[in-house]
Amino acid sequence: EVQLVESGGGLVQPGGSLRLSCGASGFTFSRYWMSWVRQAPGKGLEWVAKIKQDGSAKYYVDSVKGRFTISRDNPKNSLYLQMNSLRAEDTAMYYCGRGSGSDYFETSDYWGQGTLVTVSS
Amino acid sequence: QPVLTQSSSASASLGSSVKLTCTLSSGHSSYIIAWHQQQPGKAPRYLMKLEGSGSYNKGSGVPDRFSGSSSGADRYLTISNLQSEDEADYHCETWDSHTQVFGGGTKLTVL
Repeated sequence: EVQLVESGGGLVQPGGSLRLSCGASGFTFSRYWMSWVRQAPGKGLEWVAKIKQDGSAKYYVDSVKGRFTISRDNPKNSLYLQMNSLRAEDTAMYYCGRGSGSDYFETSDYWGQGTLVTVSS
Repeated sequence: QPVLTQSSSASASLGSSVKLTCTLSSGHSSYIIAWHQQQPGKAPRYLMKLEGSGSYNKGSGVPDRFSGSSSGADRYLTISNLQSEDEADYHCETWDSHTQVFGGGTKLTVL
């Protein structure tokens, strides 16, 4: 059974940093693109970042470029999102997703349960 | 990059059918999309990938009541024999090699 479990969310002050983790099981992690998607309270889904199977390609939504870094550790079956210079508008539930497609990320065919990030003073 | 447009809300009666629409922006009518369901307070769940031809591929365990179809730039999700658990937000998504784009989501109410 495919499982994705996020952790690392919490309350952080504006300008602060946070590192999210996503542990994967039930599939061969190194064979899949992975992504982060967020959802602000009461809002729709917003894609944040995605990373290729071997970490050689990474893409970000414009609003987080230069502040967030996506990475992965294939031997540990783990996906990460390092978030720096956090702003109030980064407040959201953050979901990790497994990518369908092999040459590029198509869509998340499995989602984690999410971890909540709150940026507030 | 493409833009996806969804109605903000829809409603239908228990046991009936409903057809939700996701419209691709001009110049992107051939794009493949995905539909995701998000029940209240839960994480999204992948439903299906839907091509411009109308061919679709459903995720694991998605009931037969869910189907997809396409016409031009419009991508549809049809839910037949509506159940109470179908009351949820439905999000469409598309992508290219560098980005992912979500529609605003449709809140479906089962009456």
